[in-house]
Amino acid sequence: GAVVSQHPSRVICKSGTSVKIECRSLDFQATTMFWYRQFPKQSLMLMATSNEGSKATYEQGVEKDKFLINHASLTLSTLTVTSAHPEDSSFYICSALRASEQFFGPGTRLTVL
Amino acid sequence: GDSVTQMEGPVTLSEEAFLTINCTYTATGYPSLFWYVQYPGEGLQLLLKATKADDKGSNKGFEATYRKETTSFHLEKGSVQVSDSAVYFCASASGGSYIPTFGRGTSLIVHP
Repeated sequence: GAVVSQHPSRVICKSGTSVKIECRSLDFQATTMFWYRQFPKQSLMLMATSNEGSKATYEQGVEKDKFLINHASLTLSTLTVTSAHPEDSSFYICSALRASEQFFGPGTRLTVL
Repeated sequence: GDSVTQMEGPVTLSEEAFLTINCTYTATGYPSLFWYVQYPGEGLQLLLKATKADDKGSNKGFEATYRKETTSFHLEKGSVQVSDSAVYFCASASGGSYIPTFGRGTSLIVHP
């Protein structure tokens, strides 16, 4: 159990467009989900904590107007990269918290042209 | 805050070889320590953990011992298999936090 999915697995978009990434907990409910960003050969960097029914908590240096997070249900959190630019190209990973343990999604590769 | 340093990869081994992936940490107090594994195309999975000094975490033939004196949590396996090929992340979490600080990951490639 404790499966987390992400969609899409990879996306290519033009500069200036917005991209939405979905994170779903498939077999459990998650009040809290997390969004990470991973650069090549770098560690995972926490971007924000997503809480169901309330505003996300962003880490220092992460633009909340750039990376919109919505956690409207106990099984779904979305990350929208608004007005994407090439420097937003990265690997985005979500996780969902269950019983004090994080369960991770497979990640989404975003490429902005 | 916490920081985690792990050896750079890729680590390339033949099947049945002995594996060590080094990991050291800096943290205030005594963090919990973790190893996560990411198989190709999948999310990170918790491999093993240790919550206090001298604890040994183990799973699927992998082991790591929490060494306070050397602030280390090295991952070992006596005989690797091709199916162990993956990226391994060392992580620490202080103060009961649910949010680990991750190392950069070490890619392991095991050849038949």
